Amino acid sequence: GDSVTQMEGPVTLSEEAFLTINCTYTATGYPSLFWYVQYPGEGLQLLLKATKADDKGSNKGFEATYRKETTSFHLEKGSVQVSDSAVYFCALTLRDSSYKLIFGSGTRLLVRP
Amino acid sequence: DGGITQSPKYLFRKEGQNVTLSCEQNLNHDAMYWYRQDPGQGLRLIYYSQIVNDFQKGDIAEGYSVSREKKESFPLTVTSAQKNPTAFYLCASSIARGLETQYFGPGTRLLVL
Repeated sequence: GDSVTQMEGPVTLSEEAFLTINCTYTATGYPSLFWYVQYPGEGLQLLLKATKADDKGSNKGFEATYRKETTSFHLEKGSVQVSDSAVYFCALTLRDSSYKLIFGSGTRLLVRP
Repeated sequence: DGGITQSPKYLFRKEGQNVTLSCEQNLNHDAMYWYRQDPGQGLRLIYYSQIVNDFQKGDIAEGYSVSREKKESFPLTVTSAQKNPTAFYLCASSIARGLETQYFGPGTRLLVL
């Protein structure tokens, strides 16, 4: 079935380090891909998205490129800050009638000063 | 400001009791969703609605019920049949056209006494 797989956390980095969180997907159709971020005790916020192959989504210094050939959507940031500490979810939406999101299990990022 | 509100922030349920979680949006979105989040896991879809007076079961609908009498509102009832209701519940909405982004509320944490 359709699914999203993320690297397990927690990921612990020092401030200003380079971040990569891996995400791969399995989908029967041609999905749109998303990264959401969840700060402690809060709901999810959309971080970035991409709707077709080779699209690059970007926001707040984070980037992810839709790679159809490798079915991946890895999240990257060149220099993380303490305020980036959160849980990051990769997700996809299918081109069917449900519009539902299928989420990965989330990756916790901890950035130390 | 446009957005999604959920209330209450915390809710306590006694055994055998039904409780209702509120979700309201003023984004003029057609589609609304309820997700359940358990610790260390991704989100799972409970119910969704694409239009007023219509809703569909998601992946884990057993023990839950919903209604969609108004476009702005999509309340979720956790019934006594749900044997493990302790979780973080998130409501979302989207324009029901193609692969539009889902926007999330701040969530309700349900605890069992």
